Amino acid sequence: GEDVEQSLFLSVREGDSSVINCTYTDSSSTYLYWYKQEPGAGLQLLTYIFSNMDMKQDQRLTVLLNKKDKHLSLRIADTQTGDSAIYFCAESGGSQGNLIFGKGTKLSVKP
Amino acid sequence: KAGVTQTPRYLIKTRGQQVTLSCSPISGHRSVSWYQQTPGQGLQFLFEYFSETQRNKGNFPGRFSGRQFSNSRSEMNVSTLELGDSALYLCASSLQGREQFFGPGTRLTVL
Repeated sequence: GEDVEQSLFLSVREGDSSVINCTYTDSSSTYLYWYKQEPGAGLQLLTYIFSNMDMKQDQRLTVLLNKKDKHLSLRIADTQTGDSAIYFCAESGGSQGNLIFGKGTKLSVKP
Repeated sequence: KAGVTQTPRYLIKTRGQQVTLSCSPISGHRSVSWYQQTPGQGLQFLFEYFSETQRNKGNFPGRFSGRQFSNSRSEMNVSTLELGDSALYLCASSLQGREQFFGPGTRLTVL
């Protein structure tokens, strides 16, 4: 069935790059998304990639898509303490037209 | 442009009661989706409304219902509340279905 998997935790030092990985199962997904959730807040759409693209760059964010392996990654360059949050990967392939989310990766940035 | 707004932000109810949550989408957006977020189950799709019609529905019991008004504002209702309904309820609005923008959520606690 439809499933999105992410590792639960990632810890990096301020100034380093962070790479958050995600695998998905639905090859028919048209779009893949990254959302950020800070404590007590809703989900903030960071970026998304169309399934026929390999890479998308947006300022400090780089999204890489390996469609053959159904693997998506989000790279955050020069990670700052303000980047500490939970990052969710999502695919658009829900059978009801909905987004399917992973469980989220908690990014901790140490000064 | 104002973002998605949800009211109330926090609610405390007791078992057996019912509750109504409200969502106002971004101006011009006609699609509104609802998601439930819990620590155990993560983000799960409830339903989607488009132009006052329920277009899609997730796998939730009939106690969960919703509607959308002509101005695209949406409400969801949960009747006969159970302890397990305690969650963050998130609403998302979309113009063309590609990008979903989330509100801050309503935190529901059932005692």
